[in-house]
Amino acid sequence: AQTVTQSQPEMSVQEAETVTLSCTYDTSESDYYLFWYKQPPSRQMILVIRQEAYKQQNATENRFSVNFQKAAKSFSLKISDSQLGDAAMYFCAYRKVGGGATNKLIFGTGTLLAVQP
Amino acid sequence: NAGVMQNPRHLVRRRGQEARLRCSPVKGHSHVYWYRQLPEEGLKFMVYLQKENIIDESGMPKERFSAEFPKEGPSILRIQQVVRGDSAAYFCASSPWDRPLNTEAFFGQGTRLTVV
Repeated sequence: AQTVTQSQPEMSVQEAETVTLSCTYDTSESDYYLFWYKQPPSRQMILVIRQEAYKQQNATENRFSVNFQKAAKSFSLKISDSQLGDAAMYFCAYRKVGGGATNKLIFGTGTLLAVQP
Repeated sequence: NAGVMQNPRHLVRRRGQEARLRCSPVKGHSHVYWYRQLPEEGLKFMVYLQKENIIDESGMPKERFSAEFPKEGPSILRIQQVVRGDSAAYFCASSPWDRPLNTEAFFGQGTRLTVV
């Protein structure tokens, strides 16, 4: 079974600095998607960035980028120029594709990010 | 263009009562997913439905829980005879019919169920 592990329950960063959140996963599949979701205190789940496993290029969305290491099954999120609004719980998630798979997402336990002014 | 709408946002039930959670997907989306988030944990998949069909219920508890997504109206997650362990945030997500495997799911804001 696929699993997603986030080993950092909490992280803190100074405003305008850079922070990296870690995520590792376990799968025997070769084709899959990886996601980072943000959950602010409002509880709304917001998609931050996604990576397709067959793409070697790391995904980037403005201040958010990933370091995808397929062989190591690692998928870290880098937030540059951190802003107060980035404070939230961040979840890493995995989804299998192909072979009759559903859209079922498997989530890690989350990393709570605090941004210090 | 409304997103996924869940109601109520907060629901309090006494032990033994029934809880009904509603989810209206994004307009035009025909796939609905329910997830449960226990305190201090990530979201756990419960069930995946298309209109009038349950596709994958591998994450649903075998007893007391049921879900439906009728041809008309919202998807409903029903929990009968609630117990304190059912206290959690329940999230609904939806995705379009034409590319369900390639698109991200859009999440609602969740219903926080408290069993007293």
